[in-house]
Amino acid sequence: EAGVTQFPSHSVIEKGQTVTLRCDPISGHDNLYWYRRVMGKEIKFLLHFVKESKQDESGMPNNRFLAERTGGTYSTLKVQPAELEDSGVYFCASSRGQGLNSPLHFGNGTRLTVT
Amino acid sequence: AQSVSQHNHHVILSEAASLELGCNYSYGGTVNLFWYVQYPGQHLQLLLKYFSGDPLVKGIKGFEAEFIKSKFSFNLRKPSVQWSDTAEYFCAVNAGRSGGYQKVTFGTGTKLQVIP
Repeated sequence: EAGVTQFPSHSVIEKGQTVTLRCDPISGHDNLYWYRRVMGKEIKFLLHFVKESKQDESGMPNNRFLAERTGGTYSTLKVQPAELEDSGVYFCASSRGQGLNSPLHFGNGTRLTVT
Repeated sequence: AQSVSQHNHHVILSEAASLELGCNYSYGGTVNLFWYVQYPGQHLQLLLKYFSGDPLVKGIKGFEAEFIKSKFSFNLRKPSVQWSDTAEYFCAVNAGRSGGYQKVTFGTGTKLQVIP
C-alpha cells in the first residue's frame, strides 16, 4: 500500500506569509494526526481527525493554525500569518483505527522554515 | 501530564559496539511505551512497543527494550550495531487506558551515528 505522503517536503517563507501543508493518508485510514517538531525539541501532537471531524485539537498552538480535512480524505494545515517560532518539521500520520491494533503510519514530514 | 526524557542527544559508536539508549518517563499510571526510529530521509517507523505482559520486548532489526516500572524507564538496547542503524531514535509514552498509539508524548530524540 502507498504510504502517507506530505507536500511539500520543504518550504521556506517569510514572516507574515501564509503556508499550507498537505497530507494524504493511507487509503482507508479514518484517523489522521498532525505533529510538529521544533528544532532540537520533542515531537508534539497537534491534532487528530476522525474522518472529517476534529476529535482532538488540544495541541494546536494558537489560532494562526487551521487544519481541515474536507471529505475525510487528505488534510491541510495552514499557518497564517507565519511567525519565526513556527519553523520546524510537521509530521502527519494516519491509522485505520484507534486501538492497540492500529499503529500509526507517518509521512516523511514537511520542513518549514520561516525567515 | 506525561513527559519523556532521553538523556543522550548524540551517540557515536563503532560498528559491532553495543548500544543502550536511555529513556525515562514521568507518569504515575498505566503506560504504553514506544520506540520509533527515523532513518535519514525516511519517515518515522515503529521499532517496538510495550503495552502489557513481558517487560522485555523485542522489536525489528535486533532491537529490544526493557520496561522497568520501578525506575520509570524503557531503555533501548542492541548487542551489536551496524552502520545501517545510523538514525534518530525517539522514545514515546501515552497513558495506557486512554488509547493505543495515539497522542503519545515523545522525547527529544537521540541521534545515533555508527562509524564503519
